[in-house]
Amino acid sequence: QVQLVQSGAEVKKPGASVKVSCKASGYTFTNYPLHWVRQAPGQRLEWVGWINVGNDNTRYSEKFQGRVTITRDTSASTAYMELSSLRSEDTAVYYCTREDWPYQFDQWGQGTLVTVSS
Amino acid sequence: QSALTQPPSASGSPGQSVTISCTGTSSDVGRYDYVSWYQHHPGKAPRLMIYEVTMRPSGVPDRFSGSKSGNTASLTVSGLQAEDEADYHCSAYAGNNNFRVFGGGTKLTVL
Repeated sequence: QVQLVQSGAEVKKPGASVKVSCKASGYTFTNYPLHWVRQAPGQRLEWVGWINVGNDNTRYSEKFQGRVTITRDTSASTAYMELSSLRSEDTAVYYCTREDWPYQFDQWGQGTLVTVSS
Repeated sequence: QSALTQPPSASGSPGQSVTISCTGTSSDVGRYDYVSWYQHHPGKAPRLMIYEVTMRPSGVPDRFSGSKSGNTASLTVSGLQAEDEADYHCSAYAGNNNFRVFGGGTKLTVL
């Protein structure tokens, strides 16, 4: 069955970077875009960005432009989201999610808690 | 990137129906029929419940239904069951530049 398995929780200091992985299985990795969405404590889901896994194109929310990089390794069926210059407001659960046509997130990873604290 | 507006909470007794609204703008909900709804139990991954405003993925009970009028989409849960208690988030496609927007989430309580 389709699965997205994310890396484990991270604790980072302000100003540091974090890289979260999302390993896909059960489907052809390059056939579906992958998005990253986060949820800070008590806040709404927030779209971070996406990658066209097939051609490596990316697009990011304006809010994170310049601080986020989404990449993929097709040989490992894994996508990555790196967020730099971390601040306390970046403390959140980060999810990877697969986009199926049209514009629906049909599969989600289990989430990765990133805590930013001095 | 404008967010969608949902009521923070909704409730109903077992067997009743409840409707959750999701208000956007003419640039997202009003423009495209690409509204989806997600059920989110704390500590778990969100689950797709409705896509393209009214469509249900396989495995989702037909107690869940979606609709849209103008800039507002709605999720209706009929015949409420205890396991329906969760947070519900709407999402809409907002065109090429504002790629995705989410609502603030609605906590559904089954009384």
